[in-house]
Amino acid sequence: QVTLKESGPVLVKPTETLTLTCTVSGFSLNTATMGVSWIRQPPGKALEWLAHIFSNDEKTYKKSLKRRLTISKDTSKSQVVLTMTDMDPVDTATYYCARINFVEPNFFDPWGQGTLVTVSS
Amino acid sequence: DIQMTQSPSSLSASVGDRVTITCRASQTISTYLNWYQQKPGKAPNLLIYAASSLQSGVPSRFSGSGSGTDFTLTISSLQPEDFATYYCQQSYNTLGLTFGGGTKVEIK
Repeated sequence: QVTLKESGPVLVKPTETLTLTCTVSGFSLNTATMGVSWIRQPPGKALEWLAHIFSNDEKTYKKSLKRRLTISKDTSKSQVVLTMTDMDPVDTATYYCARINFVEPNFFDPWGQGTLVTVSS
Repeated sequence: DIQMTQSPSSLSASVGDRVTITCRASQTISTYLNWYQQKPGKAPNLLIYAASSLQSGVPSRFSGSGSGTDFTLTISSLQPEDFATYYCQQSYNTLGLTFGGGTKVEIK
């Protein structure tokens, strides 16, 4: 059974750096056709893809957030880490990680349960 | 980025109704279109991929169609467990994956 689980702080202050960890099980981060994405959802709003990383360490970021995001993986720990710098209250959201196919068709499945991050002083 | 526009943004329907949700892409995306269902407080769940392929375990009352810029998600006979928010997502441009704004299906 493939599962993903997000972990990280519940509350961060404006200007701080957010670090989130996605721990996966049921598949390897070395699997050639698979990767992990981060997606967020502000309260009551739509989903927004942020970044993904594949087994060959290929990384892609949402263009408008690229300067603030870094995605990395630790295959031995089955973890994918997302950092987002210079946090702002508008970054308050539930952050999800999800598995993504590297080959077509690309889709997100399954998803982690999500972790709500609030940005406030 | 490719913009995805869903309509309507919300709808009210009764159990047993046929429900149709539309998603339009700002440029042609062939059939690189996925649909997700999200219930309150839960993560999204994949329903349809590649515009019309039903994900394993998803009831057959869900179907998808379309290609190019216009796509449809249909629920043939709405069930109580189908009241949720539905999102489309394009996978044509993997350098900038984007979602629609969502369609909330509510009980009439």
